[in-house]
Amino acid sequence: EAGVTQFPSHSVIEKGQTVTLRCDPISGHDNLYWYRRVMGKEIKFLLHFVKESKQDESGMPNNRFLAERTGGTYSTLKVQPAELEDSGVYFCASSDLSSYNEQFFGPGTRLTVL
Amino acid sequence: GDSVTQMEGPVTLSEEAFLTINCTYTATGYPSLFWYVQYPGEGLQLLLKATKADDKGSNKGFEATYRKETTSFHLEKGSVQVSDSAVYFCALSKPGGFKTIFGAGTRLFVKA
Repeated sequence: EAGVTQFPSHSVIEKGQTVTLRCDPISGHDNLYWYRRVMGKEIKFLLHFVKESKQDESGMPNNRFLAERTGGTYSTLKVQPAELEDSGVYFCASSDLSSYNEQFFGPGTRLTVL
Repeated sequence: GDSVTQMEGPVTLSEEAFLTINCTYTATGYPSLFWYVQYPGEGLQLLLKATKADDKGSNKGFEATYRKETTSFHLEKGSVQVSDSAVYFCALSKPGGFKTIFGAGTRLFVKA
């Protein structure tokens, strides 16, 4: 069974540019989560989808971040315009509806904003 | 609010040494507790978990016991190997809630 995949693995952009991160959850997992780790600090929750619906987006830092999950399969997280403080590692995770306490994580996307 | 605090790293040990990484938590209700590990170049992997007080999670020689009286979930391993070098994250989540709350992570280096 394939795990959670994320693309790209690394992205380096200039301040003010736009970047889109993609996450493909484990097939059949309706729950999809985004987290990020900034500057070696703790991993912080950004938002949670159940299928295509946003269940909880309380962790989204500001309106420069837009997450979508059209069709309830893969998800994208767009940062527009990117700022220096957005640099970090963005993790995606998925779980099925019956075991939401155990989440399976992807390898992360390392974003560097110069 | 709910939070997880774990010991700062990096922790550097020689092969076959004993490992302890301290983790304490603050949470209302009855959280489940987890240790995740991130090996170099890889994603986060669940290492072990415990879902109620006094439960012991174990995997790959690592153990952690859910201590409600001290709100702790310390990670231990009796004899570390070079291949255990990684970043270890303590985390919690709660029934009905969907977030996982993580500690800051502890980087472990094991020298041959």
